[in-house]
Amino acid sequence: AQSVTQLGSHVSVSEGALVLLRCNYSSSVPPYLFWYVQYPNQGLQLLLKYTSAATLVKGINGFEAEFKKSETSFHLTKPSAHMRDAAEYFCAVSVTPGNNRLAFGKGNQVVVIP
Amino acid sequence: NAGVTQTPKFQVLKTGQSMTLQCAQDMNHNSMYWYRQDPGMGLRLIYYSASEGTTDKGEVPNGYNVSRLNKREFSLRLESAAPSQTSVYFCASSAYQTDTQYFGPGTRLTVL
Repeated sequence: AQSVTQLGSHVSVSEGALVLLRCNYSSSVPPYLFWYVQYPNQGLQLLLKYTSAATLVKGINGFEAEFKKSETSFHLTKPSAHMRDAAEYFCAVSVTPGNNRLAFGKGNQVVVIP
Repeated sequence: NAGVTQTPKFQVLKTGQSMTLQCAQDMNHNSMYWYRQDPGMGLRLIYYSASEGTTDKGEVPNGYNVSRLNKREFSLRLESAAPSQTSVYFCASSAYQTDTQYFGPGTRLTVL
């Protein structure tokens, strides 16, 4: 079964500093990979997704992620953190490409320090 | 365009009571899902419906039932609520085979 691992439940970053959230996946077939963001008391919103096209994927709000097959990783980055980036971030992998089922990581709570 | 809507937003139940969480989407999506979110656990799939007329168990189906009423609506029922079902419940939908899921705002359920 496919799965994702996100380490470090809480991540603190200074305003203006690099945001780096790590996601590693396990999959026996080429995966579809996603990053979602959840702002306080809201549902999840799609940040970006990888579906076997370009390995560097750009998303909303200045975020991007790079698919590295050799490292089985899909890390999320943003060059300069803003206060509005404080939220919880989830990595997810499609259980089987095309069948719509997703397996989510446990999430990273990002705190931005002024 | 409302996207995915859920009712109610908040609910408090006593142990043993029953209730139904409602979900509707207006994006003409084929697939719909119910998740629960617990601190430190991420989102776990309870049930899903790949298309109208079909439902399947997810990772944590025990204690729940679902009904895909039509293409728009997918309800989740707790027949006899337990404190372990205290959680935030999210409904989501996706178009067939595109994998991007769109989420509702959630229902915060407390079982006393």
